[in-house]
Amino acid sequence: KQEVTQIPAALSVPEGENLVLNCSFTDSAIYNLQWFRQDPGKGLTSLLLIQSSQREQTSGRLNASLDKSSGRSTLYIAASQPGDSATYLCAVPPFRRHSGNTPLVFGKGTRLSVIA
Amino acid sequence: DVKVTQSSRYLVKRTGEKVFLECVQDMDHENMFWYRQDPGLGLRLIYFSYDVKMKEKGDIPEGYSVSREKKERFSLILESASTNQTSMYLCASSPTGDDEKLFFGSGTQLSVL
Repeated sequence: KQEVTQIPAALSVPEGENLVLNCSFTDSAIYNLQWFRQDPGKGLTSLLLIQSSQREQTSGRLNASLDKSSGRSTLYIAASQPGDSATYLCAVPPFRRHSGNTPLVFGKGTRLSVIA
Repeated sequence: DVKVTQSSRYLVKRTGEKVFLECVQDMDHENMFWYRQDPGLGLRLIYFSYDVKMKEKGDIPEGYSVSREKKERFSLILESASTNQTSMYLCASSPTGDDEKLFFGSGTQLSVL
């Protein structure tokens, strides 16, 4: 059964610092991985989706990498800002389905605080 | 932009009541999902649907049912609400395909007293 782990559970950094969030998964037979952002009391917003054939995806100050063989992904945030404060979750589909999309398996997230 | 709309932001119900949580998406997505999110437990899948009138159980379906009569609407039903169903409920949708993103609604914070 696919399991997704995110360490640390919480992280506090000063504004302007570059930082890396980690995600690991137990079954490397994934076909994509998504990173999400969640603000307190709100729904999740998809930030980046990496296909299994890719190693990186970039969006603005965010860069996500994927290493399937080691079961790891990282989310790099450059020049962090107080507005980046949120919980960041990663998720993978546990297997391939013949119809419809597979419900994702989520990590519990890393709660990031960027201090001004 | 894809929009997933949940009918209520906050809901307070009494034990034993039948509760309906509605979710509507406007992008013709085939797949729709209901999760609940609790502190320390993360997101847990309740039910999902990959087509009209199709439904499949997730990890924690007990005490819940769902309805998908139209493609854009996926309803979660608590047959007889209990206090342990107090939670944040999140609806999501996605188109079918290997590389498609999942879009979430804003969530419904349900309190069962």
